[in-house]
Amino acid sequence: KAGVTQTPRYLIKTRGQQVTLSCSPISGHRSVSWYQQTPGQGLQFLFEYFSETQRNKGNFPGRFSGRQFSNSRSEMNVSTLELGDSALYLCASSYGAQGYTFGSGTRLTVV
Amino acid sequence: QKEVEQNSGPLSVPEGAIASLNCTYSDRGSQSFFWYRQYSGKSPELIMFIYSNGDKEDGRFTAQLNKASQYVSLLIRDSQPSDSATYLCAVTPQTSYDKVIFGPGTSLSVIP
Repeated sequence: KAGVTQTPRYLIKTRGQQVTLSCSPISGHRSVSWYQQTPGQGLQFLFEYFSETQRNKGNFPGRFSGRQFSNSRSEMNVSTLELGDSALYLCASSYGAQGYTFGSGTRLTVV
Repeated sequence: QKEVEQNSGPLSVPEGAIASLNCTYSDRGSQSFFWYRQYSGKSPELIMFIYSNGDKEDGRFTAQLNKASQYVSLLIRDSQPSDSATYLCAVTPQTSYDKVIFGPGTSLSVIP
């Protein structure tokens, strides 16, 4: 069974640009959650999608957005990138309430 | 008060010993509790989840939940060097069942 696939693995962007990250969940998983991980803040919840609907959103500015498609694949977008957006972005899929399976993450560096 | 708190460590234990990792949470109505392990440079992986008060055992791992005291712990018996990692406690708050809050993690080092 294929795991959670995130693309790309690495990205380098300059300040002010925008970026789109992609996540394909495990087949049959309809819930996709996104997290930002930094050494100082740990894992911070961005948002969660289920059946194309955003059910919950963390405390991030509006520059961070996401969506989910009918096949459960999800994308997150960050506009007007800032240096502080440099982080590992993790996508996780789940079935029911039995915990997440994480993807390998996208390492974003903003210069 | 942070929603989920853990000792940051590092926690060092000798090989073969029991490692005890603790976590407290602020939302008394929290329903689901998880332990994840994250190796350096890797993404977190689920070790165990627990919903009810008491102990849940899986191999060398035991999760303990005490809702009255709002803490959850993870015991690792017969610790191995391969257990050296950061352990993340995660909680689903009552107010947001579709959101999981992670603690900062405890770094564990098992010394051969």
